[in-house]
Amino acid sequence: QKQLEQSGPELKRPGTSVKVSCKASGFTFSNSAVQWVRQARGQGLEWTGWIVGDSGNTKYAQKFQERVTITRDMSTNTAYMELSNLSSEDTAVYYCAAGSGSYYPYWGQGTLVTVSS
Amino acid sequence: NFMLTQPHSLSESPGKTVTISCTRSSGTIGSSYVQWYQQRPGSAPSIIIFEDSQRPSGVPDRFSGSIDSSSNSASLTISGLRTEDEADYYCQSYDSSNHWMFGGGTKLTVL
Repeated sequence: QKQLEQSGPELKRPGTSVKVSCKASGFTFSNSAVQWVRQARGQGLEWTGWIVGDSGNTKYAQKFQERVTITRDMSTNTAYMELSNLSSEDTAVYYCAAGSGSYYPYWGQGTLVTVSS
Repeated sequence: NFMLTQPHSLSESPGKTVTISCTRSSGTIGSSYVQWYQQRPGSAPSIIIFEDSQRPSGVPDRFSGSIDSSSNSASLTISGLRTEDEADYYCQSYDSSNHWMFGGGTKLTVL
């Protein structure tokens, strides 16, 4: 069964960083890309960036360019999204999605990141 | 960059047909593929249409996608509405840098 399993909820202080993991099972990242999307409570979907599985090339949304780093570990089939200098506006559910081309059928269950002092 | 504009909410009765629009603010709708995602409360998004009109296996043929160059928009049509179709629907496309762009989402109520 092909699926993505994300790490658990996080509670962070403003100004710190968070690193969310996304582990694939049933398929490998080498043939796919991983997108990261976030959703604040009651709000729409917002794209943060992506990583190509085999090359490790990344692209980031301009809004997050200075604060986000997406990586992957091919040995464990896990992708990571790290967001730094957190503020309350970063409180959201963060999703990873895997696929290729325009077809992204595999989504993680989401990771709630709460930023609060 | 461009924006994708969707109606905030729609309501329709079971058995009826509803169409959700997604209008591109600049550039041509056909210049990059449009995808549609369904998101039920408390769940991750799920792809229901990709490459403008392709339906993944397992998605009922009640769901169909199209693009219209005259209105510079994409549409998701759901026929034979069922109560389980009640969800939020998002269109998604790409900008010139291959960055994902999402519409604001449409809340569909089936009652």
